[in-house]
Amino acid sequence: EVQLVQSGAEVKKPGESLKISCKGSGYSFIDYWIGWVRQMPGKGLEWMGIISPSDSETRYIPSFQGQVTISADKSTTTAYLHWTSLKASDTAMYYCARLDVAIVGIDYWGQGTLVTVSS
Amino acid sequence: QLVLTQSPSASASLGASVKLTCTLSSGHSSYAIAWHQQRPEKGPRWLMKLNSDGSHIKGGGIPDRFSGSSSGAERYLTISSLQSEDEADYYCAAWDDRLNGPVFGGGTKVTVL
Repeated sequence: EVQLVQSGAEVKKPGESLKISCKGSGYSFIDYWIGWVRQMPGKGLEWMGIISPSDSETRYIPSFQGQVTISADKSTTTAYLHWTSLKASDTAMYYCARLDVAIVGIDYWGQGTLVTVSS
Repeated sequence: QLVLTQSPSASASLGASVKLTCTLSSGHSSYAIAWHQQRPEKGPRWLMKLNSDGSHIKGGGIPDRFSGSSSGAERYLTISSLQSEDEADYYCAAWDDRLNGPVFGGGTKVTVL
């Protein structure tokens, strides 16, 4: 069974750093790109960027370029989303998702990680 | 620019049917889309990939009550025999090569009366 299991909720202060994780299992981790999606409170879904776990090639959409870093460790089949200096506006639910070229899109989602940034 | 437009809300009675619409922006009427379901306080779940000709591939375990169809720039998701657990937000998404990822519609909130 394909699963993407994300790390737990986080409460941080502005300026702090944070790395959340997404562990893939039940499939060959290096064969599928992983993406990250932001959902701000009460809002819709926003694509952030993707990573190829086989070679760690990353691609970000312009609005998130430089704001976050996506990485992956194929030895632990885990993808990460990292902030060096959080802002209150980063408060959101973050989902990882597996991309399948056969359907040209997302076929599996993680359960989400709630990030709250507040002083 | 690829934009997907959805009505904010839809409702129907328990056991009835509801048809949701996702409209692709001008110049993108041949695009395939995906439908995703997000139940309250849950992560999204992929329902199906829907092609411009109406053919579709469904995710594992998706009931037959969920079906897709297409007409021009419009993509539809029909939910038949509505159940209480179908109350959710439904998002359409289409792949944008410029973004290396999907563009999402704004979502339709389905209420089961």
